[in-house]
Amino acid sequence: GIQVEQSPPDLILQEGANSTLRCNFSDSVNNLQWFHQNPWGQLINLFYIPSGTKQNGRLSATTVATERYSLLYISSSQTTDSGVYFCAVGNQFYFGTGTSLTVIP
Amino acid sequence: GAVVSQHPSRVICKSGTSVKIECRSLDFQATTMFWYRQFPKKSLMLMATSNEGSKATYEQGVEKDKFLINHASLTLSTLTVTSAHPEDSSFYICSATGMIGYNEQFFGPGTRLTVL
Repeated sequence: GIQVEQSPPDLILQEGANSTLRCNFSDSVNNLQWFHQNPWGQLINLFYIPSGTKQNGRLSATTVATERYSLLYISSSQTTDSGVYFCAVGNQFYFGTGTSLTVIP
Repeated sequence: GAVVSQHPSRVICKSGTSVKIECRSLDFQATTMFWYRQFPKKSLMLMATSNEGSKATYEQGVEKDKFLINHASLTLSTLTVTSAHPEDSSFYICSATGMIGYNEQFFGPGTRLTVL
């Protein structure tokens, strides 16, 4: 299957700071999604973004399919942004290794 | 829209028994459903992909006789863990896709299985 690596694995931010999370994948893909997993385990869809750029409030994402990476930007972070962020790629939606984000007040 | 439910949310069973987990798409027809397993503080591991009316495709290393998957209709897929053992304890999550022309995946809330 496709190899999916995310970086950084862990991130601690002060409230109000900005951050960039990265997702690298080993093969060309026609599906890519970003998720936030809350403390109860529910996966929340953030973006379906196989290519291009999308924005939703304080979050935005960019996928450069030809270079096999995607970026998730979080601006003005809040404590409620804490949790684990995953990207998933490919027809079978293989998950990346995840980034654990902690936002401290 | 695009809601996926899972039942039960939590189950505790004795070693040797079988457990069935249901995954339903509530407001759309799911042509494809996926089953994942997640260990604590780890990523999601794809177990199998199922298409309505056909046999599931299992990932390498997943025992198809241990984890039986049935996708009987466009809104229901089931995962049965047969003869469960403590090492099968995990968080199982399903997802569904199938909205025409759009491959976005929607996840259920997960089922936490504990085998004693």
